[in-house]
Amino acid sequence: GAGVSQSPRYKVAKRGQDVALRCDPISGHVSLFWYQQALGQGPEFLTYFQNEAQLDKSGLPSDRFFAERPEGSVSTLKIQRTQQEDSAVYLCASSLADSSSPLHFGNGTRLTVT
Amino acid sequence: QQQVKQSPQSLIVQKGGISIINCAYENTAFDYFPWYQQFPGKGPALLIAIRPDVSEKKEGRFTISFNKSAKQFSLHIMDSQPGDSATYFCAASNNAGNMLTFGGGTRLMVKP
Repeated sequence: GAGVSQSPRYKVAKRGQDVALRCDPISGHVSLFWYQQALGQGPEFLTYFQNEAQLDKSGLPSDRFFAERPEGSVSTLKIQRTQQEDSAVYLCASSLADSSSPLHFGNGTRLTVT
Repeated sequence: QQQVKQSPQSLIVQKGGISIINCAYENTAFDYFPWYQQFPGKGPALLIAIRPDVSEKKEGRFTISFNKSAKQFSLHIMDSQPGDSATYFCAASNNAGNMLTFGGGTRLMVKP
């Protein structure tokens, strides 16, 4: 595939359940970002990887949020003990990480916590 | 704290008209200013971007105007079409491949 792929597209979780969201970046893209987009809002930064290294996780809202990218390609965002306020679209983006290469976004995973 | 402020929140324009969306930023370290277009159920897609060494950039019907001293930039959509109806986000970062800070978005509707 030519673009960033995210799965699942939709996820419904009961409060307290754990969820795992997957991101397949564009092949060869070194940088990978996770963003959270609440309804009617702009995306907000969660965390950033360069290859397998998580260089910035300052945007993760709580210690229930965890992200990994063990082989420097596919990334997983895990949310433990989901709460209603976690309901949002989770967007993944990737780039070549040089100063002229823009971010390319996937279509996101819409998480609804009931 | 909101580092990038966007206005208006919503905009209705007649077909053929000019759509104008404005953004203001606070962080003087920002040196890359993209605009993204987002359709319902899709991720944001890069529309056009500018760096502060130029005051204007035009691509087809889309133009970014940039005012470094005022720390403001704007998107102009000329000859707006119904297919342009979408949510537009301005953003800023300190290089193209880096973490983006987004504005709150503008929901544009172009009436036929």
